Amino acid sequence: LAKTTQPISMDSYEGQEVNITCSHNNIATNDYITWYQQFPSQGPRFIIQGYKTKVTNEVASLFIPADRKSSTLSLPRVSLSDTAVYYCLVGDVRAGGTSYGKLTFGQGTILTVHP
Amino acid sequence: EPEVTQTPSHQVTQMGQEVILRCVPISNHLYFYWYRQILGQKVEFLVSFYNNEISEKSEIFDDQFSVERPDGSNFTLKIRSTKLEDSAMYFCASKLGEVDWGNTIYFGEGSWLTVV
Repeated sequence: LAKTTQPISMDSYEGQEVNITCSHNNIATNDYITWYQQFPSQGPRFIIQGYKTKVTNEVASLFIPADRKSSTLSLPRVSLSDTAVYYCLVGDVRAGGTSYGKLTFGQGTILTVHP
Repeated sequence: EPEVTQTPSHQVTQMGQEVILRCVPISNHLYFYWYRQILGQKVEFLVSFYNNEISEKSEIFDDQFSVERPDGSNFTLKIRSTKLEDSAMYFCASKLGEVDWGNTIYFGEGSWLTVV
C-alpha cells in the first residue's frame, strides 16, 4: 500500500485559501487519491477523490501532477468550521480492485482556522 | 443525501460481555466496512464485506470479532467477549462499487464503545 506523508498541522485564518500537500512517492497505477475530513468524535467525511490532473467540486479542489507522486488539497476561503483533521489516502478503491476499497489512514493534518 | 447510520451512538459494557454494533449502509451499496479509532489514535481498518462474505480483514479482527448482514439493510459487528482495549469509536462504512463513479467510501457517525 502506498504510504502518504502530510504535514502534522497547519494554521490559517478565515477567508484564506489553504493548500495541504500530500506526498505518495510509491503510488501504484491503480491507486486513487482520496481526501477525508474528520471532526472530533465524528466519522471521516469524504471531501474529494481523483486519479490524475485536477478535480473540483463544491467544497475543494484536488491537484495531481503528472507523476502522481504528490497531491494538493485546496480549500478556498476557509472558515472556522473548517477546523478539522484532513486525511490523504491512497489506494485501489475500484470495484473489484485489489484491496476491495480498504483505506489506510495516517495521522492526518490538523488544520486550525483562526478568526 | 443518503447516509450510513449507526446504532447505538454510545454503549458502555462490562469486560467479557458481548456487544453488537449495528449499521444501516446506504441502500444499493454493495461493499461494507468496519473501522475503529481508539481515542487520540488513527482510524484503523477492521474488515471489508462483499457478496455476503468477508473480503479482507486486519490483524485486529480476530476470532472475537464477527460481521453479519442478516437482512438486506443491516450490517452488524459483534464482539463476543469485550476487552478493555476494545474501547474505541467504531465506524461503519459503505461503497457502491461496480461502476467508475461508485468508488467513494462513505462513513457513518460512529458508535462509541466503552468497556469497563
